[in-house]
Amino acid sequence: DIQMTQSPSSLSASVGDRVTITCRASQGIRNYLGWYQQKPGKVPELLIYDVSTLQSGVPSRFSGSGSGTDFTLTISSLQPEDVATYYCQSYIDAPRTFGQGTKVEIK
Amino acid sequence: EVQLVESGGGLVQPGGSLRLSCAASGFSFRSCEMNWVRQAPGKGLEYVSYINSVGSTTFYAGSVRGRFTVSRDNAKSSLFLQMDSLTPEDTGVYYCAKDRSGGASPADHWGQGTLVTVSS
Repeated sequence: DIQMTQSPSSLSASVGDRVTITCRASQGIRNYLGWYQQKPGKVPELLIYDVSTLQSGVPSRFSGSGSGTDFTLTISSLQPEDVATYYCQSYIDAPRTFGQGTKVEIK
Repeated sequence: EVQLVESGGGLVQPGGSLRLSCAASGFSFRSCEMNWVRQAPGKGLEYVSYINSVGSTTFYAGSVRGRFTVSRDNAKSSLFLQMDSLTPEDTGVYYCAKDRSGGASPADHWGQGTLVTVSS
């Protein structure tokens, strides 16, 4: 099974800061990588799929990049409504493994 | 509007069984691959099970293989998860989620979840 490792596990940043979360796959997953946002007490929502394609309605301050085994989610200017836990997921094959999550807070 | 509504959760003793249901509407359910994902209290997301659009291909995480069975009724736009031999480690919120598109695809819509608590 493919393992997905996110870092950091949590971060605290100021409003307006640029925030970067990384996700590493244990083997190449081509472009089958997605990012989800789960706000406190809410259901996960798809943010980005196929590494860098924004799901409809997602603000342009979110972006994704990477290839092969190393991927990045970037928030260009952190907003208070971005407080959430972010998960990467490989969906190249079953199991569609999630990373362990990165909790983003406002400093 | 896509809607996924889970039901069937509750409190069950270790060793017991539950059958979760997910009622789908607002999209062509018979064309969509579906998933179950769970989240233990205060923990991250864990992928549980997958079923293809016609129900001929299924997948289970190692932690539930042999105890859980996923199925679907396309005529009733419903997804099911039969959970047997439950243990406290199965406690959590269970979400059904639809694939965004065919083939290898992320989940673009999730239900609100149903809470399963396994405890004596």
